[in-house]
Amino acid sequence: NAGVTQTPKFQVLKTGQSMTLQCAQDMNHNSMYWYRQDPGMGLRLIYYSASEGTTDKGEVPNGYNVSRLNKREFSLRLESAAPSQTSVYFCASSDRGLPEEDTQYFGPGTRLTVL
Amino acid sequence: EDKVVQSPLSLVVHEGDTVTLNCSYEVTNFRSLLWYKQEKKAPTFLFMLTSSGIEKKSGRLSSILDKKELFSILNITATQTGDSAVYLCAVTSGTYKYIFGTGTRLKVLA
Repeated sequence: NAGVTQTPKFQVLKTGQSMTLQCAQDMNHNSMYWYRQDPGMGLRLIYYSASEGTTDKGEVPNGYNVSRLNKREFSLRLESAAPSQTSVYFCASSDRGLPEEDTQYFGPGTRLTVL
Repeated sequence: EDKVVQSPLSLVVHEGDTVTLNCSYEVTNFRSLLWYKQEKKAPTFLFMLTSSGIEKKSGRLSSILDKKELFSILNITATQTGDSAVYLCAVTSGTYKYIFGTGTRLKVLA
């Protein structure tokens, strides 16, 4: 039981390049999330997927796209990377039935640097 | 606008001290409040609170929620250097979103 996995762990891009961050969970959770974390800013929601087949914008969606490929996988794409997208990216998953099921589990993170 | 505010922003204590971390919130349709510990990697889950006045405990850590006054506290007794981390508070609402505070950075000196 791996929980939430993310690839890659580290990435360096040049401005204008594109890339896709991959995330998978094996906990059979319905909801999945992408966050970015910057110093002093806390965790900010980029996009989320409440269930398979749906995606919605979070707080900071500009410059990103997502795909909920199936129940297990949720990818984040940067079409044209900018230095402002240098950050640590976390994927997370949860069930959202009863409030007692709200615990969100995080992947190990991807440290992205855009030059 | 939904928001979560944590205080203090940072804290330095000595081993053996007791610390209290605060989390206040303003959220529409509150569902739950969660505490996480983050040490240079992904946040790890500590507690979930849904009911007011019921203390959750795990070893030296405990937490309680006050839904009337809209806050929660996380207590750590007999602190150890391994408790050094950023502690995050998050609140869930009627939507699918989790609203995170910016965290309290705790440093425990030997």
